[in-house]
Amino acid sequence: GAGVSQSPRYKVTKRGQDVTLRCDPISSHATLYWYQQALGQGPEFLTYFNYEAQPDKSGLPSDRFSAERPEGSISTLTIQRTEQRDSAMYRCASSLVWSSYNEQFFGPGTRLTVL
Amino acid sequence: SQQGEEDPQALSIQEGENATMNCSYKTSINNLQWYRQNSGRGLVHLILIRSNEREKHSGRLRVTLDTSKKSSSLLITASRAADTASYFCATDAGGAQKLVFGQGTRLTINP
Repeated sequence: GAGVSQSPRYKVTKRGQDVTLRCDPISSHATLYWYQQALGQGPEFLTYFNYEAQPDKSGLPSDRFSAERPEGSISTLTIQRTEQRDSAMYRCASSLVWSSYNEQFFGPGTRLTVL
Repeated sequence: SQQGEEDPQALSIQEGENATMNCSYKTSINNLQWYRQNSGRGLVHLILIRSNEREKHSGRLRVTLDTSKKSSSLLITASRAADTASYFCATDAGGAQKLVFGQGTRLTINP
């Protein structure tokens, strides 16, 4: 596609429910990243994929968070048993190749609110 | 935890003036990037400066990097209302694939 897309754009859920967020990266991009951004703060790294491989999960806050990219393109981020502290903007980004010298292209984000 | 700290946290200037934002970081880096985030929209990459570069220009943007002081600055010249946004520096200090962002500077350009 022309850019990184994310869905839904907004998600309101009740505490304890599971949510799944979707990211559709730029089609030619090998690497996909997930970030969490609290209000008034910069994005914080959660995890990344190089194609379907997930070399780094170190930023995932707890085992309630998981991410997949089974076919090396679309990715999902699932939060199980959501808690109010999970409320944040979740941003997906992609880059052409696996290198810090490559620009990351960000999607519009999913605003998650946990009541 | 966040690597970079931007200064100031908020900046308000008149259209046409220059805006300068600073970023400090803690560990050695290979490169530093600046991103812009408009209200309600995604982050947009502005410029990347490598650790062996001291200054880089892109249009009205000028970025400097001082690795001895672990700091960078972003200068926007002849500011416009459309420059109103939050600006973030990001480093690769966390590893090549992990960008570590600062908390951002909120820039407001007054007409």
